[in-house]
Amino acid sequence: TQLLEQSPQFLSIQEGENLTVYCNSSSVFSSLQWYRQEPGEGPVLLVTVVTGGEVKKLKRLTFQFGDARKDSSLHITAAQPGDTGLYLCAGARQAGTALIFGKGTTLSVSS
Amino acid sequence: GAVVSQHPSWVICKSGTSVKIECRSLDFQATTMFWYRQFPKQSLMLMATSNEGSKATYEQGVEKDKFLINHASLTLSTLTVTSAHPEDSSFYICSARTGDYGYTFGSGTRLTVV
Repeated sequence: TQLLEQSPQFLSIQEGENLTVYCNSSSVFSSLQWYRQEPGEGPVLLVTVVTGGEVKKLKRLTFQFGDARKDSSLHITAAQPGDTGLYLCAGARQAGTALIFGKGTTLSVSS
Repeated sequence: GAVVSQHPSWVICKSGTSVKIECRSLDFQATTMFWYRQFPKQSLMLMATSNEGSKATYEQGVEKDKFLINHASLTLSTLTVTSAHPEDSSFYICSARTGDYGYTFGSGTRLTVV
């Protein structure tokens, strides 16, 4: 059983479109993080959310942590080819414990 | 910021041999290190958690005698894949805890067993 259900697994869109990636769980997380990973490299942190209901924006990316701290979403506005990559959500059940990763979303943005 | 240096970046070894992967924290002390494995087109799977000076805690299904983890100092943790076989070929990534909500990842090691 996957502790963090991430969807969709694959997403192929045109430049300029908007998209949302979801990360859901039946468990409560102390914190949730979103990463982007390029092939052959380690994941790079995009954002950390720790407070239920928290919303963070990073340019065209908007991250939200659910009120109950069981789910999160990543919304990208006006996607660009440079956004192409693997996006991963990861949560820690307790502060400082290991991150558990979702299965990832492979995003492809074509011009 | 906190940096974890992981070496080697890639390694090819013969079946039956052992390979050691090192992760060093360059400008901070890593009391806790996490080791992950990632197969192609898949996400990161936690293998084990190691605390400096203690035995590592392995996730269910991970053979502790095959994947030896040593965390003898606050700046160095190693993962040794013993008697490697082709099915051990994977991308191995370490991650150091840098705070209650902070984690720093190494750049990963691509292991190919032939």
